[in-house]
Amino acid sequence: AQRVTQPEKLLSVFKGAPVELKCNYSYSGSPELFWYVQYSRQRLQLLLRHISRESIKGFTADLNKGETSFHLKKPFAQEEDSAMYYCALSKSNTGKLIFGQGTTLQVKP
Amino acid sequence: EAGVAQSPRYKIIEKRQSVAFWCNPISGHATLYWYQQILGQGPKLLIQFQNNGVVDDSQLPKDRFSAERLKGVDSTLKIQPAKLEDSAVYLCASSSPGGNYGYTFGSGTRLTVV
Repeated sequence: AQRVTQPEKLLSVFKGAPVELKCNYSYSGSPELFWYVQYSRQRLQLLLRHISRESIKGFTADLNKGETSFHLKKPFAQEEDSAMYYCALSKSNTGKLIFGQGTTLQVKP
Repeated sequence: EAGVAQSPRYKIIEKRQSVAFWCNPISGHATLYWYQQILGQGPKLLIQFQNNGVVDDSQLPKDRFSAERLKGVDSTLKIQPAKLEDSAVYLCASSSPGGNYGYTFGSGTRLTVV
């Protein structure tokens, strides 16, 4: 069965500290993986996708097929990074997204 | 470009009542999705439309939930009768052909069933 697991419900760090939000998945084929972010009182929006290998707002994520992981990283957290982060998986070309339960990132001053 | 519009933003109903949500996707987006997000969980797909046809409704509780997308544009999601466990945020999203890229969410409708 396809599944996305985000083991941490809450991650609290100080400003300037490194951040790693964990995401593990189970999928038998070649998945497409995404990170979505929801800032306070805003809509859920795409942060980045593995296929484009881009860095958005200083965040990067590398797909590790051996460990079935897609962890989100940022070397120096900023207060404006505080938000809810969701990892999501999609079967190629279906559009359907399977989301993890989300991790709340709290960046303290 | 205009975003995905949803209404109402909030709705409180008693159990066994009916409720309907409306979604207007981004112009030109052929694919439309309804997701249910229960507090503390990630969004879960209820139904996916491609133009006005249903692509995936495997997770839709069809005994009480129904959805339609007339003319391949706006969509409505209905619950009748509502149960307490239907309390959630109902998210609409749309995407351009190809699906996974340019996936845009609406602001959602927060439903509370009392």
